[in-house]
Amino acid sequence: EAQVTQNPRYLITVTGKKLTVTCSQNMNHEYMSWYRQDPGLGLRQIYYSMNVEVTDKGDVPEGYKVSRKEKRNFPLILESPSPNQTSLYFCASARTGANEQFFGPGTRLTVL
Amino acid sequence: SQQGEEDPQALSIQEGENATMNCSYKTSINNLQWYRQNSGRGLVHLILIRSNEREKHSGRLRVTLDTSKKSSSLLITASRAADTASYFCATDPGNQFYFGTGTSLTVIP
Repeated sequence: EAQVTQNPRYLITVTGKKLTVTCSQNMNHEYMSWYRQDPGLGLRQIYYSMNVEVTDKGDVPEGYKVSRKEKRNFPLILESPSPNQTSLYFCASARTGANEQFFGPGTRLTVL
Repeated sequence: SQQGEEDPQALSIQEGENATMNCSYKTSINNLQWYRQNSGRGLVHLILIRSNEREKHSGRLRVTLDTSKKSSSLLITASRAADTASYFCATDPGNQFYFGTGTSLTVIP
């Protein structure tokens, strides 16, 4: 089944404790992206990747890191999480940047 | 800087009625896409319209795009209770994507 998977689905952590949210797709898509969704603000793009080893900042990259060492994986790293990073995070992939995106189920992160 | 803005923010209709929601954006785009989200779940792609297209249909969905006004509309005909969800437009002026804040649609059985 074609899908985008994210882990974990739920995470409660404390300020400053490094964490990684994994994202994997099995559709051989070139384009992958991370978004955060906050009430009243819609989805905002954090980082995106056009292909392996190519990543670029989105609208809200501060406090996040990403890497794209393999085509299928695009982990999101929070080196020192803060409470303002409490949010619902979505990973998405697309055949290319000009095509429909397939979204993962979301990761609900709470930083205390 | 948010590219897309949907209007209205919330819409409530009876089953069987048509629902129209609008999206306005700020800069030139390559494509405009519409997505649906059911209560906190992942977004599902509905339809993509390219900047050189004016209208597109998919089942009960009709999307229009007016690049001179920088606006798009999504029409859902003969709505069903299962259409209850939030609807977002997304634009890609480059390789980035910008989503609006969404329209929350409630279809009353």
